[in-house]
Amino acid sequence: SAVISQKPSRDICQRGTSLTIQCQVDSQVTMMFWYRQQPGQSLTLIATANQGSEATYESGFVIDKFPISRPNLTFSTLTVSNMSPEDSSIYLCSGNTGTEYGYTFGSGTRLTVV
Amino acid sequence: GQQVMQIPQYQHVQEGEDFTTYCNSSTTLSNIQWYKQRPGGHPVFLIQLVKSGEVKKQKRLTFQFGEAKKNSSLHITATQTTDVGTYFCAGPTGYSTLTFGKGTMLLVSP
Repeated sequence: SAVISQKPSRDICQRGTSLTIQCQVDSQVTMMFWYRQQPGQSLTLIATANQGSEATYESGFVIDKFPISRPNLTFSTLTVSNMSPEDSSIYLCSGNTGTEYGYTFGSGTRLTVV
Repeated sequence: GQQVMQIPQYQHVQEGEDFTTYCNSSTTLSNIQWYKQRPGGHPVFLIQLVKSGEVKKQKRLTFQFGEAKKNSSLHITATQTTDVGTYFCAGPTGYSTLTFGKGTMLLVSP
């Protein structure tokens, strides 16, 4: 299965600023996704990152707040824009290379907005 | 929309005891996946079940998929402290996206 490198691993940001999270996969993946997870909670899908086109966002998430890029099959970024304390969470990218391997996750970015 | 419910939310066992977590979907699933997330870690894929009534084993872990493909279970025999973590089931929604259950947090005391 693929290995996903995610950075930064954590950050503390001022409200009103933006943070870009990067994910690099060591092999081509069919699909890439971005999730948000509050500590002790389940994973909530933010969007599917589509290569070369606009991401597909889930209900409650919009492009202006969470712009996503995926310029090729092995790289994607998520930007958390105009941050507020409510954006404090763990953000995870994920990808799949085949159904038998499930989804591989990056190590996550723990974001604190102050 | 599809909902994936998981019980219990939390279980604390003594090392050597068995553990089971149950997953129920509001709709029939084409497959179900199980993940484990260690404290401070990220989810790691354990297994995928596809066939109605399927049973798969990984050492002390036994995974089952219900006949109606709407429920699943994960059973751990003789838990060890290394089993500590949160176990999530996940079912597909739409094209290649997953809906995760709320997870069962397992704590194992030595």
